[in-house]
Amino acid sequence: DTGVSQNPRHKITKRGQNVTFRCDPISEHNRLYWYRQTLGQGPEFLTYFQNEAQLEKSRLLSDRFSAERPKGSFSTLEIQRTEQGDSAMYLCASSSFRGGMETQYFGPGTRLLVL
Amino acid sequence: DAKTTQPNSMESNEEEPVHLPCNHSTISGTDYIHWYRQLPSQGPEYVIHGLTSNVNNRMASLAIAEDRKSSTLILHRATLRDAAVYYCILRSSTSYGKLTFGQGTILTVHP
Repeated sequence: DTGVSQNPRHKITKRGQNVTFRCDPISEHNRLYWYRQTLGQGPEFLTYFQNEAQLEKSRLLSDRFSAERPKGSFSTLEIQRTEQGDSAMYLCASSSFRGGMETQYFGPGTRLLVL
Repeated sequence: DAKTTQPNSMESNEEEPVHLPCNHSTISGTDYIHWYRQLPSQGPEYVIHGLTSNVNNRMASLAIAEDRKSSTLILHRATLRDAAVYYCILRSSTSYGKLTFGQGTILTVHP
């Protein structure tokens, strides 16, 4: 068990460009979450998947954001036409949900800077 | 989700106990109290959770008030590696899913 991994760890882009982040959850975890964290704030929920199905999306997830988890394993988060306000840490977490208590395990995050 | 209130920051000396408070006066009967912490430059990590009774694990203890309107995370002997932001989060047992983080408490540990 190597934990949740995220790539890249850092990304610098120019406003208007598209970026894509990848999250590899702990193997056999059926739930995968995306959060965003800005400086000095706690993480904010963006969306989550149970297996391949995207079960909830936050209002924070504008039309420019899309997330996929095509085979129920890794997930990607794409931001189109980036804006300076998208600069943040993007965190991924996974959990094993079996109808009872779940613990979310977080990755190290991808730090995005939009110039 | 019910709201939690935590102090913005606290300080401690190494090897001393630390008591991190959390108020949750609007907690419902099905809400569990969870604590996560976030070390510098890392994602959050689970610390402990409880419903009504006090709980202990290898990382910390959780003391829950009898009326459940407040709780305290106890680090028995703080180390420099415990310096982190500590988040108190309520999660309903009937609607698992996202975690709703507040601003948390920044814990500084002095050598």
